[in-house]
Amino acid sequence: SAVISQKPSRDICQRGTSLTIQCQVDSQVTMMFWYRQQPGQSLTLIATANQGSEATYESGFVIDKFPISRPNLTFSTLTVSNMSPEDSSIYLCSVEVSGANVLTFGAGSRLTVL
Amino acid sequence: QKEVEQNSGPLSVPEGAIASLNCTYSDRGSQSFFWYRQYSGKSPELIMFIYSNGDKEDGRFTAQLNKASQYVSLLIRDSQPSDSATYLCAVASTSGTYKYIFGTGTRLKVLA
Repeated sequence: SAVISQKPSRDICQRGTSLTIQCQVDSQVTMMFWYRQQPGQSLTLIATANQGSEATYESGFVIDKFPISRPNLTFSTLTVSNMSPEDSSIYLCSVEVSGANVLTFGAGSRLTVL
Repeated sequence: QKEVEQNSGPLSVPEGAIASLNCTYSDRGSQSFFWYRQYSGKSPELIMFIYSNGDKEDGRFTAQLNKASQYVSLLIRDSQPSDSATYLCAVASTSGTYKYIFGTGTRLKVLA
């Protein structure tokens, strides 16, 4: 299975600022997804990161708030823009390796907005 | 109706007992089903996947799938305190864009 490096692992941010989370995979993957897990909640899909094109966002998530890049098959970033305390959450990068048809998760980035 | 539904629990079972976790899904066209385990403060890890109707066994774990009833379950035999975690049911959805949809999770407590 793929090994995913996600950073930062945690951060404390001020309201109104932006933070970029990086996701690096040790092998080429077909699908990369970004999830959010709010305290005590399950996983909510933010978007699918598409290589070389705009991400596909789920209902309730917009590009201006969560811009995503995926310049190649092993790397993606998620930016949380103009943060508010409601954005305090764990953000998880996940990948599906070609042919494996299972989802593997990074360790997550725990974000606290004051 | 939520796309993937689970009882949030907590489900408490004594050590050595069988824990039964259930999940229903709404997309009848779904073909792939997964169980993930998530310990507190950790990211989800895959336990099992199942694609075909019937049972699939892996060690102490058995996944059961009934596509006609749109129902997936996970049985954990000889439950151990180390099995205490939140269990997430996930479905690979092919309606619209390809993606994985997660249920709310069932918290399992195995009592020593």
